[in-house]
Amino acid sequence: EIVLTQSPGTLSLSPGERATLSCRASQSVSSSYLAWYQQKPGQAPRLLIYGASSRATGIPDRFSGSGSGTDFTLTISRLEPEDFAVYYCQQYGSSLLNTFGQGTKLEIK
Amino acid sequence: QVQLQESGPGLVKPSETLSLTCAVSGYSISSGYYWAWIRQPPGKGLEWIGSIYHSGSTYYNPSLKSRVTISVDTSKNQFSLKLTSVTAADTAVYYCARGPQFSYSDYWGQGTLVTVSS
Repeated sequence: EIVLTQSPGTLSLSPGERATLSCRASQSVSSSYLAWYQQKPGQAPRLLIYGASSRATGIPDRFSGSGSGTDFTLTISRLEPEDFAVYYCQQYGSSLLNTFGQGTKLEIK
Repeated sequence: QVQLQESGPGLVKPSETLSLTCAVSGYSISSGYYWAWIRQPPGKGLEWIGSIYHSGSTYYNPSLKSRVTISVDTSKNQFSLKLTSVTAADTAVYYCARGPQFSYSDYWGQGTLVTVSS
């Protein structure tokens, strides 16, 4: 089973700053099968990025995804107040198992 | 606009079976895609339970496989989850979701809290 480790656990930044969130896999993951979600309190997760770097429909271009192999990154170029939330990465591996990272909480500094 | 809505009992007794249904509108399940159940214990992260392809093929999390059944009813445009022999550890918000691919979900239901308690 591939384990996804997200870092940092909590990231404290101010609006307007750049956020860099990391997702590291215990084994190599196909870039086609790495996704990122945003979740706000009391809401369902919202798909941001799929295939490691493709933005989902309606997602602002300040969100971007990159990476390959075992290291993937979600970057928010300039934080807006509504971006403060918890972010999860998800991967699908050859064992037909979807797994999520433990999440990174992005909070206002 | 694609919408998913979970329904089912909010309280289940230990050792009993948790049953949830996800009604889909704005898209015909028989047209394709994967249909998933994902859960989130209070204050914790997300756990994939399993997925069903529109054709009926199922894929389950190995950690839950012995207790989980996901089925689809294309005539009602809905899919269902059954989880047997529940314990307090199964208390969570349960989400249903649509996946254009097995590896991600683009539309999610609002989630339903299921508490396991006597």
